[in-house]
Amino acid sequence: DTGVSQNPRHKITKRGQNVTFRCDPISEHNRLYWYRQTLGQGPEFLTYFQNEAQLEKSRLLSDRFSAERPKGSFSTLEIQRTEQGDSAMYLCASSSYQGSVHEQYFGPGTRLTVT
Amino acid sequence: SQKIEQNSEALNIQEGKTATLTCNYTNYSPAYLQWYRQDPGRGPVFLLLIRENEKEKRKERLKVTFDTTLKQSLFHITASQPADSATYLCASLSSNTGKLIFGQGTTLQVKP
Repeated sequence: DTGVSQNPRHKITKRGQNVTFRCDPISEHNRLYWYRQTLGQGPEFLTYFQNEAQLEKSRLLSDRFSAERPKGSFSTLEIQRTEQGDSAMYLCASSSYQGSVHEQYFGPGTRLTVT
Repeated sequence: SQKIEQNSEALNIQEGKTATLTCNYTNYSPAYLQWYRQDPGRGPVFLLLIRENEKEKRKERLKVTFDTTLKQSLFHITASQPADSATYLCASLSSNTGKLIFGQGTTLQVKP
């Protein structure tokens, strides 16, 4: 399967714990995006990378959130000191930007539950 | 702030009819709109992109329109089938960043 993959698919954690999610994009895609989706809402943009550079972060992304894409391939999203309000589906998407817009390919998401 | 709005009420239609979903945007003028399909527990899947200078785009049973005067896009599924039942998301696309701003989605239920 050459689509976008995310691990883990589900994560249950206790409030105050740190969690890390991984996203493996489609191999030739240079752009990688993170979104967060809560029930009944559309995905909300969190951050994006072009190759290894993080080019934009949403104001929604508090200091407890950090994302990396160290070699321009896979990416990790870490949430420190989780809160119940962090419970959501975290979606990763990738695209191939070559001077014009392209569709984004989404992974299956990581569902986070903070108890 | 930039906002995309979709009808949050579910749309229930009979198989074979045309489903029409609405997407309205406020406080900006997107150069592109995209439509995605999302099934429960899965990530969105890209369906169609329409540019602001295109009035209409078609793909098989799907048709999208873009009316910059009304600040609205309509998404049509003709000859609908139960397999079309899903949530449909409208999103505006930033041409520079590729960042998507999504509406809340409309759930379509096609009854046999």
